[in-house]
Amino acid sequence: AQKVTQAQTEISVVEKEDVTLDCVYETRDTTYYLFWYKQPPSGELVFLIRRNSFDEQNEISGRYSWNFQKSTSSFNFTITASQVVDSAVYFCALGTSGTYKYIFGTGTRLKVLA
Amino acid sequence: DTAVSQTPKYLVTQMGNDKSIKCEQNLGHDTMYWYKQDSKKFLKIMFSYNNKELIINETVPNRFSPKSPDKAHLNLHINSLELGDSAVYFCASSRWGLAGDLNTGELFFGEGSRLTVL
Repeated sequence: AQKVTQAQTEISVVEKEDVTLDCVYETRDTTYYLFWYKQPPSGELVFLIRRNSFDEQNEISGRYSWNFQKSTSSFNFTITASQVVDSAVYFCALGTSGTYKYIFGTGTRLKVLA
Repeated sequence: DTAVSQTPKYLVTQMGNDKSIKCEQNLGHDTMYWYKQDSKKFLKIMFSYNNKELIINETVPNRFSPKSPDKAHLNLHINSLELGDSAVYFCASSRWGLAGDLNTGELFFGEGSRLTVL
């Protein structure tokens, strides 16, 4: 069975702090894809990153970075020097080619205070 | 050009009515989805079609009927609307090719359709 756990329901930080959002996944498939999406107050789902199970390289994009560790089934997301515009709900998701299904975590609400 | 487009964006209706939400993608993807996001922000998969064939049906009431006239379109019809159907409905599309295909597994969402049942 597939499962995505985002244990942090809500995080509050002060602007310029670094913050890490945790994501732990479960799957028996050997080929799978991991995602992070941002949902700002306006409601759309903004794609941030997709990683496949064969690529464990960490990725950095501006203030965003992602740490993928198959050994701990985790795909954590770090925002460096957070800004108020980063305030949103962030979703981690898992897609598996065996099921054609994408499962989402329950989301982490990030509040960045000025 | 919007990759995945849904209409309408907002829908307000009375209990008992029937309504439809339409979705179109221009990405050439072979698989489309409907997700429901409730007031607690949980995103739950409802249905999926692959090449016009229903492949996922996640214990959704029979009042919900998806239809895929072709690979690029997936519509959602809801009969006898209930208060609990109020939610944001997201359409999405993805591509499931071979493992070596760089684009396989990508997932794109529409902007969502907010349904309010009074």
